[in-house]
Amino acid sequence: DAGVIQSPRHEVTEMGQEVTLRCKPISGHNSLFWYRQTMMRGLELLIYFNNNVPIDDSGMPEDRFSAKMPNASFSTLKIQPSEPRDSAVYFCASSLLGASNQPQHFGDGTRLSIL
Amino acid sequence: QKEVEQDPGPLSVPEGAIVSLNCTYSNSAFQYFMWYRQYSRKGPELLMYTYSSGNKEDGRFTAQVDKSSKYISLFIRDSQPSDSATYLCAMSAQGGSEKLVFGKGTKLTVNP
Repeated sequence: DAGVIQSPRHEVTEMGQEVTLRCKPISGHNSLFWYRQTMMRGLELLIYFNNNVPIDDSGMPEDRFSAKMPNASFSTLKIQPSEPRDSAVYFCASSLLGASNQPQHFGDGTRLSIL
Repeated sequence: QKEVEQDPGPLSVPEGAIVSLNCTYSNSAFQYFMWYRQYSRKGPELLMYTYSSGNKEDGRFTAQVDKSSKYISLFIRDSQPSDSATYLCAMSAQGGSEKLVFGKGTKLTVNP
């Protein structure tokens, strides 16, 4: 089975530009998580969805960040306008809602550099 | 105090050594404890999953949870160069499919 698929793998853009990160969860999974990983702060949860509905967005740093999940097989994380401090690796993970013994499966991340 | 504390290392050991990795936490509501392994430029992958206190063994890996001390450990026996990675502890109040809080990770190098 295909795992969690993220695109692009790498993104380099200039400050002020809009950035869109994409995620395709594992088929059949109904929880989706967006994380950000930096050396300073480690892996932090930004937002997560259950059945395409945002449940907890308390980790979203600012209004410049937004996330959508229009259907069960696709989610986006958008940063507009981007700033150098947004440079990080962004991970998407998916899991099976309500199954307490089921882990989150991670994609290989998008490495974002804002110049 | 952060919810989850983990020594970032780095930790360097010779092949065959026993490795001990640890995390402490402050939230007594945590019931589910996980260890993820992350290779360079890859996403974290689940290594061990435990519920509440006790030990769990899987091959060369043993996870221990001591809820009374708010302390969890991962032991790797007969360590191999392929074990070289960053190890992240993670925990949750409601299960692996819910909101996880991660440690910052410990970078391990096993030298041949």
